[in-house]
Amino acid sequence: EVQLVESGGGLVQPGRSLRLSCAASGFTFDDYAMHWVRQAPGKGLEWVSGISWNSGSIGYADSVKGRFTISRDNAKNSLYLQMNSLRAEDTALYYCAKDILPSYSSGLGAFDIWGQGTMVTVSS
Amino acid sequence: SYELTQPLSVSVALGQTARITCGGNNIGSKNVHWYQQKPGQAPVLVIYRDSNRPSGIPERFSGSNSGNTATLTISRAQAGDEADYYCQVWDSSTARVFGGGTKLTVL
Repeated sequence: EVQLVESGGGLVQPGRSLRLSCAASGFTFDDYAMHWVRQAPGKGLEWVSGISWNSGSIGYADSVKGRFTISRDNAKNSLYLQMNSLRAEDTALYYCAKDILPSYSSGLGAFDIWGQGTMVTVSS
Repeated sequence: SYELTQPLSVSVALGQTARITCGGNNIGSKNVHWYQQKPGQAPVLVIYRDSNRPSGIPERFSGSNSGNTATLTISRAQAGDEADYYCQVWDSSTARVFGGGTKLTVL
């Protein structure tokens, strides 16, 4: 069964850090780009970051650039998101999503597999 | 930055056809993908590259894209189609962009 399972969310104070993980199974992880997409409570979807199959190409939304770092370990079939200098507006459900292509930056790519998400709450 | 505009809500009578639009500057030159999200669930890809259906998505779901508007069409709408629907494209300035989402109500 194709599956993505996120972990690492929780309650954190503004300015602190958190690291999210996503464990993939049921498909050849290193054949595809991977992404993080978030959804604030009651709001729409927002793309956060993407990484190509071999980590050779990475991108971030302007809202997180310089604060968040995406990475992957193909040997462990895992995707990560290091979140630093967290703000209240980063509060959201964070989804891990698989691309249908190896490149994160292709317009032909779409998110065909999603995890159930991990909640991040930034509050004092 | 590139923006996508969707109506906040669309209503359709049971068994009729629903059309959800996604507006963007020259969106017809881009590949548009559509996602369905039911309450408390993760999004599901229902249309990719304007008009392609992933495996397992009913033929009732179709898509088109031309000019400044892309459209998701749901034929013979069912109660189970009630959900939020999001369009998405890739843009060189903004990378992956989502529309604001449309809530579909089946009456």
